Amino acid sequence: AQSVTQLDSHVSVSEGTPVLLRCNYSSSYSPSLFWYVQHPNKGLQLLLKYTSAATLVKGINGFEAEFKKSETSFHLTKPSAHMSDAAEYFCVVIVSGGYQKVTFGTGTKLQVIP
Amino acid sequence: GAGVSQSPRYKVTKRGQDVALRCDPISGHVSLYWYRQALGQGPEFLTYFNYEAQQDKSGLPNDRFSAERPEGSISTLTIQRTEQRDSAMYRCASSLGGTASTDTQYFGPGTRLTVL
Repeated sequence: AQSVTQLDSHVSVSEGTPVLLRCNYSSSYSPSLFWYVQHPNKGLQLLLKYTSAATLVKGINGFEAEFKKSETSFHLTKPSAHMSDAAEYFCVVIVSGGYQKVTFGTGTKLQVIP
Repeated sequence: GAGVSQSPRYKVTKRGQDVALRCDPISGHVSLYWYRQALGQGPEFLTYFNYEAQQDKSGLPNDRFSAERPEGSISTLTIQRTEQRDSAMYRCASSLGGTASTDTQYFGPGTRLTVL
């Protein structure tokens, strides 16, 4: 069994301040972890992914995430928020190996205040 | 190049009618995924294909839902005898390789289904 918990349904930050979006996962196998972003009226787009290589992963638009196995976490961070970062962010756990199991979190809506 | 396209973008139907939702993946992509997303929730996996073979349909809610990808390209998700609880955004994604744990999935814009 696997699950994903995004601890905050809404996060509000001021422009120029750091962003932290939290994600915890549970999996019986070694998972791959992804963050996808969805801007209003657009499709989902990959931000970054962890697939068992370096635990600190850098993505597009200055975002990064660190895989911490001991904490079963994969939090998304960005040093300085921009107005264009306002969107909904989804953490995703995927396990492959004879079958594929894809589980999305419930999403975190990021609001950036000017 | 063209991304993943889905049609129709919006579908309103009456309870009991059948609907067919189409997904046109990026050319050459091996894998195709279907998801359902209820309001305020994350996408929920329904099924996926590698080429024309349906690899996993464990996420399909019941036997009213079916999907096919007969030539390994375009896919159709069919819902028979629709019910109001089927109302949701249906999303399709494709990926170049056949391994979800490493591949990037490219998502279409979705089909918003409303069942009256």
